[in-house]
Amino acid sequence: QSALTQPASVSGSPGQSITISCTGTSSDVGGYNYVSWYQQHPGKAPKLMIYDVTNRPSGVSNRFSGSKSGNTASLNISGLQADDEADYYCNSYTRSSPLGVFGGGTKLTVL
Amino acid sequence: EVQLVESGGGLVQPGGSLTLSCAASGFIVSDNYMNWVRQAPGKGLEWVSVIYSGGSTYYVDSVKGRFTISRHNSENTVYLQMNSLRPEDTAVYYCAKLLTTAALDIWGQGTLVTVSS
Repeated sequence: QSALTQPASVSGSPGQSITISCTGTSSDVGGYNYVSWYQQHPGKAPKLMIYDVTNRPSGVSNRFSGSKSGNTASLNISGLQADDEADYYCNSYTRSSPLGVFGGGTKLTVL
Repeated sequence: EVQLVESGGGLVQPGGSLTLSCAASGFIVSDNYMNWVRQAPGKGLEWVSVIYSGGSTYYVDSVKGRFTISRHNSENTVYLQMNSLRPEDTAVYYCAKLLTTAALDIWGQGTLVTVSS
């Protein structure tokens, strides 16, 4: 299955808000409320930040929020902090496979 | 503490075999959907395989017929047997637990597999 489409990079200054998009199709993102987001710092394992489009796991800051409109899901990060600088990946259930499909990843730079 | 610890990675020649292990603590592997996800150097994440709590297994097309996921309930460990390895299988392999559909909440630290002559 094809990867979901994410921008290669986004940037923002400390304190600002940014949004990362994740575009799929009606067979994945648009068809189900099963989109998750992961943060990955260099050399580290991914960390689940959002699941089921809008839900935050325990311990994840409420500065992170998720949404979806049509075939595009979005991750919003408010009050940017230096430690938010990382790669972010979206993932969605897809009816074409029991395995999920990931986005290509977005590098967030905090200026 | 809930955690996953992978082992078994290393350097292997093309056509060779390797078995990765993922030892779980703090939860029962057989009660969960357990997964392997890989990341080639400098690239994104790719979901490789899943084993359901009921025992069903699924694979990404590129590894079908070459990789086998399994678990040993008494050891609370998940395995990934990799045969006929190719250079394009070079990656860090992560073991991960499924929280809910398409959401992986517990990840191991990863183990590097390098396929090269």
